[in-house]
Parts: sequence; C-alpha cells; structure tokens
Amino acid sequence: AQSVTQLGSHVSVSEGALVLLRCNYSSSVPPYLFWYVQYPNQGLQLLLKYTSAATLVKGINGFEAEFKKSETSFHLTKPSAHMSDAAEYFCAVSDGGTSYGKLTFGQGTILTVHP
Amino acid sequence: EAQVTQNPRYLITVTGKKLTVTCSQNMNHEYMSWYRQDPGLGLRQIYYSMNVEVTDKGDVPEGYKVSRKEKRNFPLILESPSPNQTSLYFCASSLRSTSGAGELFFGEGSRLTVL
Repeated sequence: AQSVTQLGSHVSVSEGALVLLRCNYSSSVPPYLFWYVQYPNQGLQLLLKYTSAATLVKGINGFEAEFKKSETSFHLTKPSAHMSDAAEYFCAVSDGGTSYGKLTFGQGTILTVHP
Repeated sequence: EAQVTQNPRYLITVTGKKLTVTCSQNMNHEYMSWYRQDPGLGLRQIYYSMNVEVTDKGDVPEGYKVSRKEKRNFPLILESPSPNQTSLYFCASSLRSTSGAGELFFGEGSRLTVL
C-alpha cells in the first residue's frame, strides 16, 4: 500500500521568502509523485510530476521539487513567494501498473503569504 | 476548452433523499474517478472507472454508486444520503496510461451538505 505524509498542515511565509512544503511517501514499488495546487473554490491543478526521468522536477509558476529516494521525500520549493501562491497544496503518489490514474493524496498544506 | 464539468456545484439536502452529482469530460479520457475532500484528510477516492461499463471501488465507496454508460459521463449517486456524506466532491479524468503517470484533470468541485 502506498501513502503520503505532508508535514505541516499550515505554512506561513512572507512575500519574497523561500517556500518549502514537505512531502514524504511510502510505496512498495518505484513511485510516480505529483504536486497539485488548489486555489479557493476551484478544483486541483497539476503543478509538477516526477516519473523517474530526472530527480529535480520543474513545474509551473516557478515551483520545483526534488525526488530523494534515500529519504523517501518529494519536497516542493519556490525561491521567492508571491501573494498569488496562497493556496492549498497536495502531494500525491501513484504506483503505476494497473493503478493507472489512481492517486493517493496527502492531507494537504495551506500556504499563507504575508505582505 | 478542455474541461471536467460537475453539477450541481452546491447542494443542501436532507437525510435519505436520493441525489445524483453529474460529471462530464470533453477530453475523450478513458479513466474517470470520484474523490471526496474533507479537512485534514486530503482527497480520498470513492469510485473509479477504467472505461465504459468498467467501474470499481476506491477507498471509501460505502453509501455511493456510480455508472459509466458513456465515455464522457460518470455520475455519482447517493441513494440515501447521510450527514457523514457532507463533503466536497471532485470528479477527475485522465488518459489511460500504462505508466500510471497520467495527469488527473479535476472538476471545480461539488459542495454537498446533508442535514
């Protein structure tokens, strides 16, 4: 069985500061990993995904994430936060194979950006 | 425009009154799925469908039914809603990918309250 743990249900940063959202996963097979973002009153949209091609993955809006197998982590970062980054972020894992589109999601992290 | 459309977006109902939440996608995706989102629990999969007439239970299927008679539509049926089904529901779809890394496209969500 696969699982995802996001450390910190709320993260608050100042505008221009580094954003770091933590995600650890558990999977019995090489995983596919995703970060999704949910803006208020909207559905989720894909930020980036890891599919074993490269350990450092760049996504939209300046976000990136690094896959670290030894730490079973896939933390999301952005060098400089913007007010528009305020949203809820979800890490998700898929074990591929017959699971196809099934994703197991973490609990979510709400990012607040202060002026 | 490529999209997943859910209706209704908001619904307040009473215990036991059958309801259906519709979901339609215009991307010719084989895979469709329903998730519910609850605070602190992230998104949990209710049911999914690999293709027309092929459906299966997700992690929290109790109290729900689905059908997939057409490729584009995947309605969620609550035969006898109860207050513990008060939640935010998302429909999602993706191309069927043998790598398991297909991107999920989400609808905007349906907020259901059962009194």
